[in-house]
Amino acid sequence: AQSVSQHNHHVILSEAASLELGCNYSYGGTVNLFWYVQYPGQHLQLLLKYFSGDPLVKGIKGFEAEFIKSKFSFNLRKPSVQWSDTAEYFCAVNDKGSARQLTFGSGTQLTVLP
Amino acid sequence: DTEVTQTPKHLVMGMTNKKSLKCEQHMGHRAMYWYKQKAKKPPELMFVYSYEKLSINESVPSRFSPECPNSSLLNLHLHALQPEDSALYLCASSQENGRVAEAFFGQGTRLTVV
Repeated sequence: AQSVSQHNHHVILSEAASLELGCNYSYGGTVNLFWYVQYPGQHLQLLLKYFSGDPLVKGIKGFEAEFIKSKFSFNLRKPSVQWSDTAEYFCAVNDKGSARQLTFGSGTQLTVLP
Repeated sequence: DTEVTQTPKHLVMGMTNKKSLKCEQHMGHRAMYWYKQKAKKPPELMFVYSYEKLSINESVPSRFSPECPNSSLLNLHLHALQPEDSALYLCASSQENGRVAEAFFGQGTRLTVV
């Protein structure tokens, strides 16, 4: 079974700081990778996804993530955060074989101070 | 229309009550899901429906009973719940075309069992 680790449980940054949230997964096969964001009181929204091709993927709101297969990682980055980026961020994985089951990491709460 | 709509948004029920959660999507997605999310935790998969048939049941207690009356609707019938079942219940949907696609999530129903 696959598992997903997000080592940063709570990250606090000032506006304009750069962000990197870590995500590592344990499955050795071919995977699909996702980052979801959950703003306070709102539903999970897809930030970006990686299925194949260029390992550097760009998502909405200036976020990007890099898939490094050798490190089993899919870290999320943003060069300059805004107060409105305050939210919970979830990394998720599913293996191409199961096709449907998303396994989520434990989440990282990002707080951006104005 | 790229929304997954869940009703009700909030529900308080006693342990002897019977209630139902509803989910609707009009994106033509043929895979629909129920997830349970406890506070400060990631979503956990409960059920997956594919083409209106239950394909995955993640060992969920029988007091939760899913139903998929048609390709746009997904229900979760609740009976004799316990206080520890209090959580945010999320519905999601995705394309079902033999390849993986991202899941679209509803805003959830916040359930409190008293």
